[in-house]
Amino acid sequence: SYVLTQAPSVSVAPGQTARITCGGSNIEKKSVHWYQQKPGQAPIVVVYDDYYRPSGIPERFSGSNSGNTATLAISRVEAGDEGDYYCHVWDSSVDQGVFGGGTKVTVL
Amino acid sequence: EVQLLESGGGLVQPGGSLRLSCAASEFISTSFGMAWARQAPGKGLQWVSSISGSGAKTYYADSVKGRFTISRDNPNHMFYLQMNNLRAEDTGVYYCVKTGSFYYHYLDVWGKGTTVTVSS
Repeated sequence: SYVLTQAPSVSVAPGQTARITCGGSNIEKKSVHWYQQKPGQAPIVVVYDDYYRPSGIPERFSGSNSGNTATLAISRVEAGDEGDYYCHVWDSSVDQGVFGGGTKVTVL
Repeated sequence: EVQLLESGGGLVQPGGSLRLSCAASEFISTSFGMAWARQAPGKGLQWVSSISGSGAKTYYADSVKGRFTISRDNPNHMFYLQMNNLRAEDTGVYYCVKTGSFYYHYLDVWGKGTTVTVSS
């Protein structure tokens, strides 16, 4: 089955850029979606189809996908960006959804 | 924006069954797939199952295949997850989710979740 690999944690100072990576075999061939989850809350989508932002998501959130790595970048990081971030793809070879293990973002 | 409200969670013994329901605040077009995802305590998200807009096609994670059944009642904007032969590892918060379009698309709108605890 398809595996998505995320670093467990990322720490970033306020105002800097956080980069969260999602590794997968030839992931550039897939559409990658990203979700933010804050403690005690349901996830929300922050980027879909590699780089599209849903309405209401700040432009500070951006996505890219190349080779074996997809990346979610959060620029000008704020304290409110703390939370867990998950990448997600659809594995069409077996018709199943797949989540990465999640990355906890901490704002220093 | 449509809102989703899950119900039906609770405490069940191993081997038991539960039926989760998801009520949408408004009609969801058959152009949209629906899904269930779950999260074990302190763990990450796990995709569980998806269903096409018409309900004709269903998809399951290997860990629940043969035990769980996803379904939808489009006229009444209700969605279900029938869970049989439950195991301790099925414990967690179960989220009902509307996709961005097709069943394989991004998970657009999430419910607040309902908690399932499998324990003797």
